[in-house]
Amino acid sequence: IAGITQAPTSQILAAGRRMTLRCTQDMRHNAMYWYRQDLGLGLRLIHYSNTAGTTGKGEVPDGYSVSRANTDDFPLTLASAVPSQTSVYFCASSDSGRGSEAFFGQGTRLTVV
Amino acid sequence: LAKTTQPISMDSYEGQEVNITCSHNNIATNDYITWYQQFPSQGPRFIIQGYKTKVTNEVASLFIPADRKSSTLSLPRVSLSDTAVYYCLVGDLILTGGGNKLTFGTGTQLKVEL
Repeated sequence: IAGITQAPTSQILAAGRRMTLRCTQDMRHNAMYWYRQDLGLGLRLIHYSNTAGTTGKGEVPDGYSVSRANTDDFPLTLASAVPSQTSVYFCASSDSGRGSEAFFGQGTRLTVV
Repeated sequence: LAKTTQPISMDSYEGQEVNITCSHNNIATNDYITWYQQFPSQGPRFIIQGYKTKVTNEVASLFIPADRKSSTLSLPRVSLSDTAVYYCLVGDLILTGGGNKLTFGTGTQLKVEL
């Protein structure tokens, strides 16, 4: 089934460690997004990408980096994890056309200890 | 992007119609109105989208008045499985010169009981 896949599903990470969350879509969508979701704060945009080779900052980009080497993959890297980055992370993708809907992955639950 | 305001929570009973209203006073001419649904431990899922007047699909209806400063998501005859968080988003995925962004608020927690 076509869709968007995130890995890992969950992870416990020691503070200070580097971690890359993977996101792959097979719908050939141009745009991709990373969100974090924390209790009471809804979903907040971390980074986004309009198309392969370009990225942009969202609401809460500090401590995170992304790359978009090709259309399908949009990894999110935490260079040196801190406990405040404990959250559920969602990746999404959409077409670039007006009125496009976004498709979300199942999320990665990350705990930084 | 236009800021949205929606109720934090709503309660309903099975079989009732539920209407969730979202305010977006500074909506721009090119903005669409989109609603997403999120169940616990899952990513959000697209429900419905509209630009003006009324849109209906197999899941819900979306009512948008002429001034477009608000919108109402209508869920007919809800069931327990409709218990979820519902997000109202206003914006256009294509922002001239600014790139693509899709920003969520805190949503409305709908609880459906027997």
